[in-house]
Amino acid sequence: KAGVTQTPRYLIKTRGQQVTLSCSPISGHRSVSWYQQTPGQGLQFLFEYFSETQRNKGNFPGRFSGRQFSNSRSEMNVSTLELGDSALYLCASSSGQGVQETQYFGPGTRLLVL
Amino acid sequence: DAKTTQPPSMDCAEGRAANLPCNHSTISGNEYVYWYRQIHSQGPQYIIHGLKNNETNEMASLIITEDRKSSTLILPHATLRDTAVYYCIVISTTGTASKLTFGTGTRLQVTL
Repeated sequence: KAGVTQTPRYLIKTRGQQVTLSCSPISGHRSVSWYQQTPGQGLQFLFEYFSETQRNKGNFPGRFSGRQFSNSRSEMNVSTLELGDSALYLCASSSGQGVQETQYFGPGTRLLVL
Repeated sequence: DAKTTQPPSMDCAEGRAANLPCNHSTISGNEYVYWYRQIHSQGPQYIIHGLKNNETNEMASLIITEDRKSSTLILPHATLRDTAVYYCIVISTTGTASKLTFGTGTRLQVTL
């Protein structure tokens, strides 16, 4: 079974631009979660989508948004990029059916904002 | 979800057992203990989880104290490929495992 894939793997943007990151979950998984990892703040939860609906949300500004499609693929969008948005963005998928389930993480998209 | 405390770093000789402690003194009865690890520049990888009984799988063993206020992840025969940051996470059974709150973790360095 193929793992979680994320595209692109690397991205360079400038301040004020917007960016869209994509995540394809493991086949059959309906939950996709997004995380931001920075050296200063560590790994922080952004949001989770389950069956095309946002089910959980972290403490990030409205510039960070996401969506999920009927095939469970998910996209994350960051508008009006700031230097502090430079980070590794990780997505993870799971069946979404209960607490005793494993989250499988993708390799991440490394975003650099100049 | 309860807060966890882990030592920032540990060293272990290759072939020896690595014992990684985690303190979760405020854990409540309906919270699970999960362990993930992150090898440099990769996404985190699930290792093991438990509620109150000790657990073992092909990767590791998890020992949870009787009062559940602390736990230890044991890698029985550490190899160089086990060098990573290990995260201990507590998750409520009333929530979902889809929202993980990562602490700073323990950086395990396995040496020859």
